[in-house]
Amino acid sequence: LAKTTQPISMDSYEGQEVNITCSHNNIATNDYITWYQQFPSQGPRFIIQGYKTKVTNEVASLFIPADRKSSTLSLPRVSLSDTAVYYCLVGGHNTDKLIFGTGTRLQVFP
Amino acid sequence: NAGVTQTPKFRILKIGQSMTLQCAQDMNHNYMYWYRQDPGMGLKLIYYSVGAGITDKGEVPNGYNVSRSTTEDFPLRLELAAPSQTSVYFCASSYDASRSYEQYFGPGTRLTVT
Repeated sequence: LAKTTQPISMDSYEGQEVNITCSHNNIATNDYITWYQQFPSQGPRFIIQGYKTKVTNEVASLFIPADRKSSTLSLPRVSLSDTAVYYCLVGGHNTDKLIFGTGTRLQVFP
Repeated sequence: NAGVTQTPKFRILKIGQSMTLQCAQDMNHNYMYWYRQDPGMGLKLIYYSVGAGITDKGEVPNGYNVSRSTTEDFPLRLELAAPSQTSVYFCASSYDASRSYEQYFGPGTRLTVT
């Protein structure tokens, strides 16, 4: 399973767009990129997953460049309720398990 | 659907005691997982199961045991509790290997060993 590197923390203000970048230089051909969100005192929640180019859902967008060695989670117009830890994970589509790193702690200020 | 449920929510154990953390899911998921999360850290996989009767070790299995007799239940057993096992424990499930990236987590059990 490829190792991921992401910033320890980020600060933002309400209404801004937040981009969290994850580095995964050793990503394998069959690896997918998955992002989870964890609020305090709760279990993580799946946000989005992608393989290449761009994926968008009602919560976020995921941008993956052609070399797939990094990915960027984009949160449009964040609110206070987006304050959470965001985890980037890389693994095969049919993997038995996921490896969580320490994540990026996003703090949104009013 | 209740999703993934865990009991108890909180527990304090004395060193050397044993206990079982309960986990159940009603989504007919084949895959189930146990993680622990220490303060300010990410999640570490303890054990996982790909179906009833099948379990396998994760990153940090020492001091724990699991069993999977039914699709719905995946209890985690702590034998001889130690202070190092103070943590928040999360159970999760996913449909199968093709969707193992999308795991559904329970609310967690906060365990303190003193």
